[in-house]
Amino acid sequence: NAGVTQTPKFQVLKTGQSMTLQCAQDMNHEYMSWYRQDPGMGLRLIHYSVGAGITDQGEVPNGYNVSRSTTEDFPLRLLSAAPSQTSVYFCASLGQGLGEAFFGQGTRLTVV
Amino acid sequence: KQEVTQIPAALSVPEGENLVLNCSFTDSAIYNLQWFRQDPGKGLTSLLLIQSSQREQTSGRLNASLDKSSGRSTLYIAASQPGDSATYLCAGSGGTSYGKLTFGQGTILTVHP
Repeated sequence: NAGVTQTPKFQVLKTGQSMTLQCAQDMNHEYMSWYRQDPGMGLRLIHYSVGAGITDQGEVPNGYNVSRSTTEDFPLRLLSAAPSQTSVYFCASLGQGLGEAFFGQGTRLTVV
Repeated sequence: KQEVTQIPAALSVPEGENLVLNCSFTDSAIYNLQWFRQDPGKGLTSLLLIQSSQREQTSGRLNASLDKSSGRSTLYIAASQPGDSATYLCAGSGGTSYGKLTFGQGTILTVHP
């Protein structure tokens, strides 16, 4: 099993550009979520999903869109990139029962 | 709203020392608490998961405890090694927000030879 796979690992965008961060899991987990990690701020929840077709906002959702058309995939879209979105982004999936969270390796995004 | 705090923010110890990392949370209606390790520039690796019905979990030199009544969890590392140097994060999954983790700021651990 690959676990949680994120692509790309690194990305540089110009202000105003859009892009999609990909996240896929092969553990048949219902719960998936996106976090951003900034120095001194820890990890903050952007959006999450409790199953295919169901998404909700987290703590810092502005500037980001998500959709969940399949159990496996949970892409994060930056609509119009801003320098404030420079961060490291992590995707996570949670298994039912124990609720253990598994994280991808992260995407380091720089917006110039 | 769940808030998670970790103390200390940074810790430097000599090799071989036993140490304790602390994590406190405000909402006792916690479903589980998970400890992670993060190496510089890397992702999060799960170390231990404690469900709300449990008091502690052990894996090798690591032992994590959970006290819901006091809103605290501790991660005990025995006989620390330089390879244990990393950032340690705790995260709580709330009772009303099962799929959402609230993270502490982390403790940066340095174990020097």
